[in-house]
Amino acid sequence: QVQLQESGPGLVKPSETLSLTCTVSGDSINPYYWSWIRQPPGKGLEWIGYIYYTGSTYYNPSLKSRVTISVDTPKNQFSLKLNSVTAADTAVYYCARHPAATGKFDYWGQGTLVAVSS
Amino acid sequence: DIQMTQSPSSVSASVGDRVTITCRASQGISNWLAWYQQKPGKAPKLLIYSASSLQSGVPSRFSGSGSGTDFTLTISSLQPEDFATYYCHQSNSFPYTFGQGTKLEIK
Repeated sequence: QVQLQESGPGLVKPSETLSLTCTVSGDSINPYYWSWIRQPPGKGLEWIGYIYYTGSTYYNPSLKSRVTISVDTPKNQFSLKLNSVTAADTAVYYCARHPAATGKFDYWGQGTLVAVSS
Repeated sequence: DIQMTQSPSSVSASVGDRVTITCRASQGISNWLAWYQQKPGKAPKLLIYSASSLQSGVPSRFSGSGSGTDFTLTISSLQPEDFATYYCHQSNSFPYTFGQGTKLEIK
C-alpha cells in the first residue's frame, strides 16, 4: 500500500522559508510525478507544482518566483520550499502522486497545517 | 489559467437520493477531468479520472461523464458516508486547477 507522509514545521514566521518533506513508502519514487497542493483553512485546493523522479519540475506561475521542489530518490522523498511567506500562505499542505498521462492524483498524504505568524 | 466552475456550491439531499454535480471548464479540456471527495480534516480522495473512469475501490454508485467543457458527477443513491465536499480538477494544461467545491449536506 502506497503511503505519503508530510513532515516539517507547523509554524513559520513571515518573510521566512516554509520547508516540507514528503516521504513515500510502499512504492518507489520512480517513475512517477509528485505534486504539492495546498488548501487554506475553509477554502479550496491550489496546485503548487510537481517534480518528476528525474528532477524535472513545473511550478504554478502564481507561486513560481518563491517555490522550489526537489527530489531525493535514494531516500524516496521529495521536498517543498516556499520562501518569503506571508499569512496568505497559511494552509494545509498535501503531497500527492500522479502517474504519467493519467490526470489523477491517486495517492495523497494526510496533510500538514502550516501557519505563518510571528 | 483554466477556470473550473462547479454548480451548485452546496446541495442538500437525503439518503437514497440521486445527486448530480456539474463542473464547467473555461476552455476545452478533452477528458482530462477528475473528481475528488473530501471529508473534514481529511485529504481528498480520488473518485473518477479521465472524466468517466471509476478509480479502483470506489463504489459503483459514483459515475462521471462529459468531455470538452462540461462534466458531471452523479451519485446514484446517496449513502450516509457520501456527505462531503466534492472537487473537480483539470489536468489538460498547466497550471492544474480545481473547482471551488460543492458541499453535499444532509437534508
